[in-house]
Amino acid sequence: AQSVTQPDIHITVSEGASLELRCNYSYGATPYLFWYVQSPGQGLQLLLKYFSGDTLVQGIKGFEAEFKRSQSSFNLRKPSVHWSDAAEYFCAVGAKGGSYIPTFGRGTSLIVHP
Amino acid sequence: KAGVTQTPRYLIKTRGQQVTLSCSPISGHRSVSWYQQTPGQGLQFLFEYFSETQRNKGNFPGRFSGRQFSNSRSEMNVSTLELGDSALYLCASEGSGTGTNEQFFGPGTRLTVL
Repeated sequence: AQSVTQPDIHITVSEGASLELRCNYSYGATPYLFWYVQSPGQGLQLLLKYFSGDTLVQGIKGFEAEFKRSQSSFNLRKPSVHWSDAAEYFCAVGAKGGSYIPTFGRGTSLIVHP
Repeated sequence: KAGVTQTPRYLIKTRGQQVTLSCSPISGHRSVSWYQQTPGQGLQFLFEYFSETQRNKGNFPGRFSGRQFSNSRSEMNVSTLELGDSALYLCASEGSGTGTNEQFFGPGTRLTVL
């Protein structure tokens, strides 16, 4: 069975500082990996996704993530955080085709100090 | 292209009542999934519909049911509401055949059970 672990429930950073959100997954084959962001009271918005190819993936809003097969990780990074990045971030793992049920991590809440 | 829409956005019910939530997927998307999101349990998969058939089901009691219409719009129903059913219910659609397995989320319906 596939699973996703986001070890950090909350992360606090200062505006302008760099950010790394951790995500570890468990899946038998090469996974499809996603990062979503959820602002308060809103649905989830896709930041980026990895299917294959280049292991460094660029997303929207200046985010990037790196797929490391040896570590079963897909960490999300941003070089300089803006106050508007404060939100809940979810990592998800899925499978190709057919009956697709993605598994989501529990989320990491990002707090940005001015 | 219009996004995923959910109605109503907010709902207040009392214990024992039933409720119906509606979701309109992105045009052309045939897969619709429903999730329950609570602070304690995170994002939990309810069920997925594809071409009017329930294709996958999560671990929820039979009080939770759904259906999908020929135009891919979906409804979920919760009968005999309990206080613990208070949650944000998210609907997501996925473009079958694209091979991306990326889900697009609606803004959610906030259900409060009193």
